[in-house]
Amino acid sequence: EAGVAQSPRYKIIEKRQSVAFWCNPISGHATLYWYQQILGQGPKLLIQFQNNGVVDDSQLPKDRFSAERLKGVDSTLKIQPAKLEDSAVYLCATYWPLYGYTFGSGTRLTVV
Amino acid sequence: AQSVTQLDSQVPVFEEAPVELRCNYSSSVSVYLFWYVQYPNQGLQLLLKYLSGSTLVKGINGFEAEFNKSQTSFHLRKPSVHISDTAEYFCAVSPTSNTGKLIFGQGTTLQVKP
Repeated sequence: EAGVAQSPRYKIIEKRQSVAFWCNPISGHATLYWYQQILGQGPKLLIQFQNNGVVDDSQLPKDRFSAERLKGVDSTLKIQPAKLEDSAVYLCATYWPLYGYTFGSGTRLTVV
Repeated sequence: AQSVTQLDSQVPVFEEAPVELRCNYSSSVSVYLFWYVQYPNQGLQLLLKYLSGSTLVKGINGFEAEFNKSQTSFHLRKPSVHISDTAEYFCAVSPTSNTGKLIFGQGTTLQVKP
């Protein structure tokens, strides 16, 4: 079974630029999460989707971060404009009761 | 709401010694409990999980954890560590609802010395 695919693997941008991350989840997994993992910290939930609807975005900095999940499948997370403190690994994960949680390898963002 | 506290940020230990990584949680609802490992520059890998049943859970790589409901703890143990166990370890909880989100602790760095 294929895992959760994320791209790009690495991204370096200057502050105030915009960036987008893409996640292709396991087919049929209705619940999708985006996490932010700052170096030396545990992953922090940014947003949770159920199919293409948002369940929880209480921790998403909505002035600069946005996310969508088209047709309840692929998802994109965007930052515009980026700040230095956005440097982190962005993890996508999916959930299905039979399989539990599956994490992608993440996108490492460096803002300079 | 749920929260997770990992009581040690770093745990240095010599090779072949036993180790315990401590985790306490807080929740007003029933939760599932997890331990993940993250090797340098790699993704999160599930070590073990407690969903129900026996409170002693065995995972991969010789790790085990014990769920203690009265103390709201889920400590991770290994009787004899190897150099290759050097990594970051994360404790996490999720509500028992089908779409519950995973809440992670801050992580514990296990440093195994020769």
